Amino acid sequence: QKEVEQDPGPLSVPEGAIVSLNCTYSNSAFQYFMWYRQYSRKGPELLMYTYSSGNKEDGRFTAQVDKSSKYISLFIRDSQPSDSATYLCAMSYSGAGSYQLTFGKGTKLSVIP
Amino acid sequence: DTAVSQTPKYLVTQMGNDKSIKCEQNLGHDTMYWYKQDSKKFLKIMFSYNNKELIINETVPNRFSPKSPDKAHLNLHINSLELGDSAVYFCASSQVTSRPGELFFGEGSRLTVL
Repeated sequence: QKEVEQDPGPLSVPEGAIVSLNCTYSNSAFQYFMWYRQYSRKGPELLMYTYSSGNKEDGRFTAQVDKSSKYISLFIRDSQPSDSATYLCAMSYSGAGSYQLTFGKGTKLSVIP
Repeated sequence: DTAVSQTPKYLVTQMGNDKSIKCEQNLGHDTMYWYKQDSKKFLKIMFSYNNKELIINETVPNRFSPKSPDKAHLNLHINSLELGDSAVYFCASSQVTSRPGELFFGEGSRLTVL
């Protein structure tokens, strides 16, 4: 079993739709949970950062972490064509593990105008 | 003013050649990384340096040799290039004491081995 599982998609939605992206993980030591967004031919950029369980909201984006289920989600409300990108979940833990970021394989999202 | 810059952005070369990719960050971070992203977009860590000290050295062929002359620079040298080395190589940096896992990536160096 891979440490982090993420459905690679691709996912295609109409503009204005609510998008749900998910990852599951197996390592219960993970404490820090991130979503990175990667536009075509660009480097990943941090979109959302969450510590431990709970929700975090930033504009149209909401990140959820459920440590008991080892499951994290990213919701995008009122999706825009500019949201078209690959979304990578990533996880880390403290101490020596803070240097080791484990990524999911990424979900490619297309938002159709 | 680019925070993490890599050169070259594109590299096309023949099998068996030796090539280098350079990376510089102006964020004042103490940790730098090399990641490899394959054709399926999977991003995998190769090396990490903290204050010029190698702290992560994943299972990577020893044809790959990183070098960090100072905290702001991390270079990657690849000997005897093989077809399977074709990928996008990303440099990244972080300040580990701030938010663990928060990395700042360069735009990538796309290597094609013919």
